[in-house]
Amino acid sequence: EAQVTQNPRYLITVTGKKLTVTCSQNMNHEYMSWYRQDPGLGLRQIYYSMNVEVTDKGDVPEGYKVSRKEKRNFPLILESPSPNQTSLYFCASSPFEGQNTEAFFGQGTRLTVV
Amino acid sequence: GQNIDQPTEMTATEGAIVQINCTYQTSGFNGLFWYQQHAGEAPTFLSYNVLDGLEEKGRFSSFLSRSKGYSYLLLKELQMKDSASYLCACMRGGSYIPTFGRGTSLIVHP
Repeated sequence: EAQVTQNPRYLITVTGKKLTVTCSQNMNHEYMSWYRQDPGLGLRQIYYSMNVEVTDKGDVPEGYKVSRKEKRNFPLILESPSPNQTSLYFCASSPFEGQNTEAFFGQGTRLTVV
Repeated sequence: GQNIDQPTEMTATEGAIVQINCTYQTSGFNGLFWYQQHAGEAPTFLSYNVLDGLEEKGRFSSFLSRSKGYSYLLLKELQMKDSASYLCACMRGGSYIPTFGRGTSLIVHP
């Protein structure tokens, strides 16, 4: 089944403790991205990647890192999480097939930083 | 930069028609998407427009006017399960990654 898989689905952590949220897609998509979603602010892009070893900042990259060593995986790293990073996070992937590149989303990771 | 505007909330009656508007300003333009998102779930794709005009898909239609920077999503024969957030998203020129508006929360009541 074609899908984007995020782990974990739920995570409660403490300020300053490094964490990684994994994202994997099995559709051989070139493009992958991370979003955070907060009430009243909608989906905001954190980082995106257009191919292996190619990553770029989105609109809200501060406090996050990403890597794209393999096509299928795009982990999101919080080196020193803070309470303002409490949010719902979504990973998405899309193919490079011209312009109609529908994004496929993972099921989300609800992160709470205390 | 990019700026996408849509109403925060709308209400409608079951069986009725509702139109959700989206205006955008973007440097370059590579198409506009509409996504549906139920509370706590992932967004799911509804439609894509890159040329002016109306695209119809069952009960849902999407319209685009590039010269006006304007789109709308039209939902007909509303059902209770259509209660969700509707997200307008643009791809700026040279990019294949969408940028989203804040979403419109649609409440359908009996």
